[in-house]
Amino acid sequence: GAGVSQSPSNKVTEKGKDVELRCDPISGHTALYWYRQRLGQGLEFLIYFQGNSAPDKSGLPSDRFSAERTGESVSTLTIQRTQQEDSAVYLCASSSARLAGPPQFFGPGTRLTVL
Amino acid sequence: KQEVTQIPAALSVPEGENLVLNCSFTDSAIYNLQWFRQDPGKGLTSLLLIQSSQREQTSGRLNASLDKSSGRSTLYIAASQPGDSATYLCAALQTGNQFYFGTGTSLTVIP
Repeated sequence: GAGVSQSPSNKVTEKGKDVELRCDPISGHTALYWYRQRLGQGLEFLIYFQGNSAPDKSGLPSDRFSAERTGESVSTLTIQRTQQEDSAVYLCASSSARLAGPPQFFGPGTRLTVL
Repeated sequence: KQEVTQIPAALSVPEGENLVLNCSFTDSAIYNLQWFRQDPGKGLTSLLLIQSSQREQTSGRLNASLDKSSGRSTLYIAASQPGDSATYLCAALQTGNQFYFGTGTSLTVIP
């Protein structure tokens, strides 16, 4: 595919359930980012993967959040025991260079609603 | 902690006008600054990226400037069109690969 894809596009879940969000980056992009945007707020960095290096998890809001990436391919963001404040659009982005200098290319996002 | 502010929060202009969007940041130790547009229901689109050593970047009708010492960046849009209507976000990349995003400027260009 030509761009970053994410699935599902929408997810509605009940409080306390676990959810898994998927991101397929652009082929060959070594860097992958997860962000979230809650209603009325700016984008919030969550986690950054660069090749096989240890990910930068400094943006994860709690230990209920985790993410994995195998090599330079698909990434999954998992939220355990979801809370209503987790409702947001979760965006994934990828870029091509080691130092994240070039522009990031974003996916369409997953809209998560926790009831 | 870096704080990124965008002014105005919303802007409405008639078609054909030139306009300037403002972005300010509190920590000048940035690696680069990037401007995005966000359309409803779609992902972000990267518009322009300015490295910390650069002063400006241009793409078509768009021109972005960066003044690190004053903590400011501007996005200039020439001859605005209704298709330019969107939310515009700026983001500062700190060393350590963390982006700090502003809350955006919602632009409406009236035909």
